[in-house]
Amino acid sequence: DAGVTQSPTHLIKTRGQQVTLRCSPKSGHDTVSWYQQALGQGPQFIFQYYEEEERQRGNFPDRFSGHQFPNYSSELNVNALLLGDSALYLCASSLDEKLFFGSGTQLSVL
Amino acid sequence: SQKIEQNSEALNIQEGKTATLTCNYTNYSPAYLQWYRQDPGRGPVFLLLIRENEKEKRKERLKVTFDTTLKQSLFHITASQPADSATYLCALDGPGNTGKLIFGQGTTLQVKP
Repeated sequence: DAGVTQSPTHLIKTRGQQVTLRCSPKSGHDTVSWYQQALGQGPQFIFQYYEEEERQRGNFPDRFSGHQFPNYSSELNVNALLLGDSALYLCASSLDEKLFFGSGTQLSVL
Repeated sequence: SQKIEQNSEALNIQEGKTATLTCNYTNYSPAYLQWYRQDPGRGPVFLLLIRENEKEKRKERLKVTFDTTLKQSLFHITASQPADSATYLCALDGPGNTGKLIFGQGTTLQVKP
């Protein structure tokens, strides 16, 4: 049983560009959450998707948007990248309160 | 807003000893609290969940306590091993039982042989 998979594993972008990160949840999981983790910090909640709808959103600007597909996979889009967007982006899937995380996408904005 | 604090300094202990990590929170009464382990370059891995009506929970060498009066959780690893070296994150659910988790900044544990 594959766990949560994320792609790509690493990405380098320049300021002002746009990026799309992808996530496939653990088999049978219908809820996907995205987190941003800066170096030395805990993950910060971006948003959560359930039944293809954004159910919850953290304190992130509208430059951060997402999507969930009928097969429960999800995308995170970030527009107009800033240097401060450099971080590890984690996707987590769940059926209940426990989260199962992928290994993340390391985004570097130059 | 909710605030979670974990020991920001790394915890260094000798193999075989018990490691105790602390998680304090303010401005909120969570329905449950979770602990995760994170290794460098990897995503967090779920370890234990404890609910507000539970005082203590155990899983193998791990023990978690939850004191809703003190607004504190303690995480213990008994008979620690070098393989237990990692960053440990505490997380609590956001208001309204929405499934949104709020994480602390994590405590790095180093177990020396």
